[in-house]
Amino acid sequence: KAGVTQTPRYLIKTRGQQVTLSCSPISGHRSVSWYQQTPGQGLQFLFEYFSETQRNKGNFPGRFSGRQFSNSRSEMNVSTLELGDSALYLCASSVQGPSNYGYTFGSGTRLTVV
Amino acid sequence: GNSVTQMEGPVTLSEEAFLTINCTYTATGYPSLFWYVQYPGEGLQLLLKATKADDKGSNKGFEATYRKETTSFHLEKGSVQVSDSAVYFCALSDQETSGSRLTFGEGTQLTVNP
Repeated sequence: KAGVTQTPRYLIKTRGQQVTLSCSPISGHRSVSWYQQTPGQGLQFLFEYFSETQRNKGNFPGRFSGRQFSNSRSEMNVSTLELGDSALYLCASSVQGPSNYGYTFGSGTRLTVV
Repeated sequence: GNSVTQMEGPVTLSEEAFLTINCTYTATGYPSLFWYVQYPGEGLQLLLKATKADDKGSNKGFEATYRKETTSFHLEKGSVQVSDSAVYFCALSDQETSGSRLTFGEGTQLTVNP
């Protein structure tokens, strides 16, 4: 079956712009989470959506937001981009959550802010 | 709060050598534990998991045992191959205290030479 699909794979934006990243989970998965990966901070949790509701949120500023649609596809948005937002953004999906099944990750979107 | 500590890398081994990557955790609840692997340019792949004390997760020759008394989940493989070269992440999920988020260690870069 198809895995977790993230688009686009690569993105270059200018400081101050905004960006929207997309994630299509595995069919039947209702939980979608987003993580930011950087060399300095490692993997950090952004937020999780389950059945169109944000269920959990990490410690990121309000410039980072997300949503989930009725088909479980999810988007995350970053407004007023800063150089420090350059990172690999990973989306992960699960049937309900990671505890019993783990998460399946996509290949990520590499965002570069210049 | 929850945290995961991995042994510092990078780790360089010769093919067929024995591998151990240490992982210890701090959690207030009863977490599930995971090992993920990341190959260059890709997202994370779930390698193995354990959901309760004394469980042993195994996959592709890798093993890890959930040790509650030592709060550890060390990754082992008896004979590594060049294709095992990747970054390995230990992670936990504690549904009671932090919901569905995964807390990751810093990652350990493994290089296997022929």
